[in-house]
Amino acid sequence: QITLTQQAESLWVSPGEKVSITCRASQSLLYTDGKHYLSWYQQRPGQTTKALIYHASIRTDGVPTRFIGSGSGTEFTLSIEDVQPEDIALYYCLQTLKKPYTFGAGTKLELK
Amino acid sequence: QVQLKETGPGLVQPTQTLSITCTVSGFSLTSYYMQWVRQTPGKGLEWMGFIRSGGSTEYNSEFKSRLSISRDTSKNQVFLKMNSLKTEDTGVYYCARLRCYDYVMDAWGQGASVTVSS
Repeated sequence: QITLTQQAESLWVSPGEKVSITCRASQSLLYTDGKHYLSWYQQRPGQTTKALIYHASIRTDGVPTRFIGSGSGTEFTLSIEDVQPEDIALYYCLQTLKKPYTFGAGTKLELK
Repeated sequence: QVQLKETGPGLVQPTQTLSITCTVSGFSLTSYYMQWVRQTPGKGLEWMGFIRSGGSTEYNSEFKSRLSISRDTSKNQVFLKMNSLKTEDTGVYYCARLRCYDYVMDAWGQGASVTVSS
């Protein structure tokens, strides 16, 4: 199965800063259609899990433009520019290229 | 408005069978794949399997021998049944909708917390 590694368990940020969360895959997530099957999700206490980014760089409807997905092959990044207090959450990457679909271990964004 | 809500037993004894229902509203089960994903202290988030819009199923081999996913489209419900429960199965079980054209899990339930203990 494909392993996704999110190196950072926690990242500390101040409001207004930029932060980047990385996700490394054990094999390329590029499919023959030219798209990467890597998506990013946000988990906040008391809220349902929210899809932020799919195909590595496309924001889902309603996601603020400060959330930016990038990367290709096996290396992917979720960047949050101008971090807001409501962005304090857990962030997970997910690959849906091959079954079993697998998630990263998660990165917790915390306030400095 | 799209909504998913899981209901489950809360506490299950080891070796027993877990049954959880996901009731959805705002969309049709015949248009989306419905997943079950669980979150455990030991393994984090794990994809368990799905039922396709057409009704066929696919499972993570990690659970294949003891997991069953089914649905009742007339009641807008998806079901998870897993037998031979162990303490390591303690966690939160989520149903999630998968868009089958771009493979995004674009809607999730709040999750059903399950404790496996005698």
